[in-house]
Amino acid sequence: DAGVTQSPTHLIKTRGQHVTLRCSPISGHKSVSWYQQVLGQGPQFIFQYYEKEERGRGNFPDRFSARQFPNYSSELNVNALLLGDSALYLCASSLVAGQHYEQYFGPGTRLTVT
Amino acid sequence: TQLLEQSPQFLSIQEGENLTVYCNSSSVFSSLQWYRQEPGEGPVLLVTVVTGGEVKKLKRLTFQFGDARKDSSLHITAAQPGDTGLYLCFEGAQKLVFGQGTRLTINP
Repeated sequence: DAGVTQSPTHLIKTRGQHVTLRCSPISGHKSVSWYQQVLGQGPQFIFQYYEKEERGRGNFPDRFSARQFPNYSSELNVNALLLGDSALYLCASSLVAGQHYEQYFGPGTRLTVT
Repeated sequence: TQLLEQSPQFLSIQEGENLTVYCNSSSVFSSLQWYRQEPGEGPVLLVTVVTGGEVKKLKRLTFQFGDARKDSSLHITAAQPGDTGLYLCFEGAQKLVFGQGTRLTINP
């Protein structure tokens, strides 16, 4: 079975541009979460979606947005990119959203903003 | 201020040694999870601890959840180079927050 897939794997953008990152969850999983991992730190929670509804949002500016599609895949959009947005963006899928749920992570998208 | 404080942040030991890493908080959690992340990959779930005082074993790894459910530890016995990686604790029931991680290097 295919695991969580993310595209693209690497991306270089310029300050002020926008970016769209994509995630396909494991088949049957209805929840997708997005995390930002800056080099040398643990991942930080950005968004969680379950059944196409936003279930949670981390402490990120409105430049960050996301959505989940009917097939449960998801997109993360970041507008007006800043140098500080350079990071590894991780997507995780789980069967449901809630306590003790097991998350399966994709390999991430490495975003570099110059 | 980190909701989950991990220590040490870096640890480099020789193959065969034992080690313990810690995940501490001032908050009470209903559960904690431990993940391991290798370079170029996403984190992989190792264990979920739910009950205060719970001990779970995964081969040479022993995980413990504190009695008050505010802290957790990971003990590795006879560490091997394959144990090298970033170990992360995670609270997924309320805040969806990771600790900053312990970067473990096992030298042959």
